[in-house]
Amino acid sequence: EVQLVESGGGLVQPGGSLRLSCVASEFNVSSSYVTWVRQAPGKGLEWVSIIYSGGFTYYADSVEGRFTVSRDNSKNTLYLQMNSLTTEDTAVYYCARVIRGVKIYFYYYMDVWGKGTTVTVSS
Amino acid sequence: DIQMTQSPSSLSASVGDRVTITCRASQGIGNYLAWYQQRPGKVPNLLIYAASTLHSGVPSRFSGSGSGTHFTLTISSLQPEDVGSYYCQRYDSTPWTFGHGTKVEIK
Repeated sequence: EVQLVESGGGLVQPGGSLRLSCVASEFNVSSSYVTWVRQAPGKGLEWVSIIYSGGFTYYADSVEGRFTVSRDNSKNTLYLQMNSLTTEDTAVYYCARVIRGVKIYFYYYMDVWGKGTTVTVSS
Repeated sequence: DIQMTQSPSSLSASVGDRVTITCRASQGIGNYLAWYQQRPGKVPNLLIYAASTLHSGVPSRFSGSGSGTHFTLTISSLQPEDVGSYYCQRYDSTPWTFGHGTKVEIK
């Protein structure tokens, strides 16, 4: 069964750093696109970042320059390094596999999501 | 960045009602749009991609339409298990963005 499991969340002070992990099962992260999405308490979904199979990475404006996504193909694991955290970064962080294809036009969608890991930024 | 505006922000309807949720993009995005459902306390689930393609296993009462800047998600006959929040999401270019969501309740 295709599965994603996040970990690494916790309580961190403003200005601090945290690294989240996302372990994939039954598919190879090296040949896949994987995205991070977060959800603040009681709020909607916010797209955070994506890593392409070729290694290119893109970020939301709200985290650009502070967050870095990477992967370790040997561990089939994705990472989200989060620096200079603020209270606005408090959220559940999900990783999700992205399926891409072409049907006249290209398409992408997130088909498998992890259960999420909670990050709380507070003093 | 392109903004996605969903309406209404919430709605309450009776079982069996037809429900329509609208998503508008601040610029044209072709058909590069997906819809997700998030039931209370659960992880989001894909409903539709490419604006109108129903994802495998999703009940046929869900349908999507639109292109350019105006998109709709329709539930033809609302069921109790459809309670939750619904989000549109554009993927025409990075950064991707979600709409702010529509909360659906049963009257």
